[in-house]
Amino acid sequence: EVQLVESGGGLVQPGRSLRLSCAASGFTFDDYAMHWVRQAPGKGLEWVSGISWNSGSIGYADSVKGRFTISRDNAKNSLYLQMNSLRAEDTALYYCAKDMGAEWLTTFDYWGQGTLVTVSS
Amino acid sequence: QSVLTQPPSVSGAPGQRVTISCTGSSSNIGAGYDVHWYQQLPGTAPKLLIYGNSNRPSGVPDRFSGSKSGTSASLAITGLQAEDEADYYCQSYDSSLAVFGTGTKVTVL
Repeated sequence: EVQLVESGGGLVQPGRSLRLSCAASGFTFDDYAMHWVRQAPGKGLEWVSGISWNSGSIGYADSVKGRFTISRDNAKNSLYLQMNSLRAEDTALYYCAKDMGAEWLTTFDYWGQGTLVTVSS
Repeated sequence: QSVLTQPPSVSGAPGQRVTISCTGSSSNIGAGYDVHWYQQLPGTAPKLLIYGNSNRPSGVPDRFSGSKSGTSASLAITGLQAEDEADYYCQSYDSSLAVFGTGTKVTVL
């Protein structure tokens, strides 16, 4: 059974940093691209970032480019999101999602339950 | 803001058919990228409903169907059931970056 478990969320002040983690199990992690998708309270889904199976291809939404960094450790079956210079508008539930393919131009076939990030003073 | 536009809400009585549109442009759906659909029940994570424009993952009822034409796509739900009340999102790619639709709330009357 595919499982994605996010952690690392919490309350953080504007301008500070936070690192999210996603522990994956139930599939061959290094065969698939992975993504972070967020959802602000009461709002729709927003893709944040994606990374290919071997970290050779990485992309970011314009809203986070230059502030967030996605990475993965295939030996640890883990995905990460380093979030710097956080803003109030980054407040959201952050989901880890598995891609259906090794590169990242397909679909998100499994999702975690999310970790909540609140940016507030 | 999202580059894929969906109606904010649609509704129907049990047993009826409803459709949700997803309108894009020549840089996303019209560029040949596939469209995928997700269902988000209240308080839960999104679930893949349709992938590759019209394919259903294992376990998704055949009441759900998808199609794509030009710069738009559609999700149809036939034989609407109370358990279908949820938010629905389309998703594609634009200049190799993933994009979601604005989302549609389906209400079962």
